[in-house]
Amino acid sequence: QKEVEQNSGPLSVPEGAIASLNCTYSDRGSQSFFWYRQYSGKSPELIMSIYSNGDKEDGRFTAQLNKASQYVSLLIRDSQPSDSATYLCAVSSAGNMLTFGGGTRLMVKP
Amino acid sequence: GAGVSQSPRYKVAKRGQDVALRCDPISGHVSLFWYQQALGQGPEFLTYFQNEAQLDKSGLPSDRFFAERPEGSVSTLKIQRTQQEDSAVYLCASTSGTVSYEQYFGPGTRLTVT
Repeated sequence: QKEVEQNSGPLSVPEGAIASLNCTYSDRGSQSFFWYRQYSGKSPELIMSIYSNGDKEDGRFTAQLNKASQYVSLLIRDSQPSDSATYLCAVSSAGNMLTFGGGTRLMVKP
Repeated sequence: GAGVSQSPRYKVAKRGQDVALRCDPISGHVSLFWYQQALGQGPEFLTYFQNEAQLDKSGLPSDRFFAERPEGSVSTLKIQRTQQEDSAVYLCASTSGTVSYEQYFGPGTRLTVT
């Protein structure tokens, strides 16, 4: 059974702080890693993809991948109240189906 | 450009009724996926098409669920004899499958079985 684990939260951070979201996965064959943001009542929105070990930065978002530790993380710098949402970690192998974690609910307080 | 579209956005069905959910992927996207999302959980894979070929249907929960993509673009997920446990949001995603493996989701169909 392929698993993706996330702390359900809520993770509460003050506005302007760094939010750190973590994810572990069990399938060592996983090749592609994604972070989706999901607002309440909406569908998942892709915010980051990462395929190789190390860091990938896009604006205020940084994704980090460590395949040896089977660990993916997402850092959100200068967190804004509009970042409050559920963040879903997803992994796949060879362009196949995504396996999602249960999501971490982030709350950014003004 | 246009994203993934799904219809209907909301569907209420009486237990035992059949329903059909439609997905129109991003133009030119080869691969199309269906997921089911229960309240408070992450999406779970149902089935996957590459063009018109259904390559994986391992996630379909029972033989009451059936999906097709006859011309390699629009897809329909059909649920026969709906049960209360089928109540969920059904999400469709598409990806080019060639340039990248990033999957883009439609708005979903919220199915409520009463």
